[in-house]
Amino acid sequence: EVQLVESGGGLVQPGGSLRLSCAASGFTFSSYWIHWVRQVPGKGLVWVSRINSDGSFTRYADSVKGRFTISRDNAKNTLYLQMNSLSADDTAIYYCVRDGIGSAFDIWGQGTMVTVSS
Amino acid sequence: QSALTQPASVSGSPGQSITISCTGTSSDVGSYNLVSWYQQHPGKAPKLMIYEGSKRPSGVSNRFSGSKSGNTASLTVSGLQAEDEADYYCCSYAGSTTGTFVFGGGTKLTVL
Repeated sequence: EVQLVESGGGLVQPGGSLRLSCAASGFTFSSYWIHWVRQVPGKGLVWVSRINSDGSFTRYADSVKGRFTISRDNAKNTLYLQMNSLSADDTAIYYCVRDGIGSAFDIWGQGTMVTVSS
Repeated sequence: QSALTQPASVSGSPGQSITISCTGTSSDVGSYNLVSWYQQHPGKAPKLMIYEGSKRPSGVSNRFSGSKSGNTASLTVSGLQAEDEADYYCCSYAGSTTGTFVFGGGTKLTVL
């Protein structure tokens, strides 16, 4: 089964750091671009970041640029999102998504919740 | 990176058709045929319904169709069914200058 499984979410204090992971299975992970998308519960989807298949190209939304770092380990079929200097505005469900066809997101993980609060 | 503009809500009766618009700019929707549409039921992850503006992934009902005119993309759902009630989001590549993507604010579809 093709799937993405996020982990690493939780409660963190403002100014703190967290690293999310996304484990891929059922497909050739190293062949695909992967993105992070977040969603405040009850609100809309927001694109966060993307990385190319070999990890040499990354892009970020302005709201996270300089604070978040996307990376991947193709040997472990795993995507990461290092999040630093977190604020309440970063509180959201974070989804790992595969860029599978026509620059569209065809596979979504179940999401991991990040809560930034004191 | 301004969000694409979608109506907050649309509604229709079973069997009817509805259209959801998604308005961007000449830098995103207007410049690329890379608009995608997602359906999200409460508590679930989004599901890809349309890619490259008008193409349906395998397994998606042909009641869902997409189109684009200028800076506005549209999703049409025909023959409305109760299970179509959900939130719908558009998304577009925002251009090679930024290399980013942008979503719309989402539209709640209610089947009356």
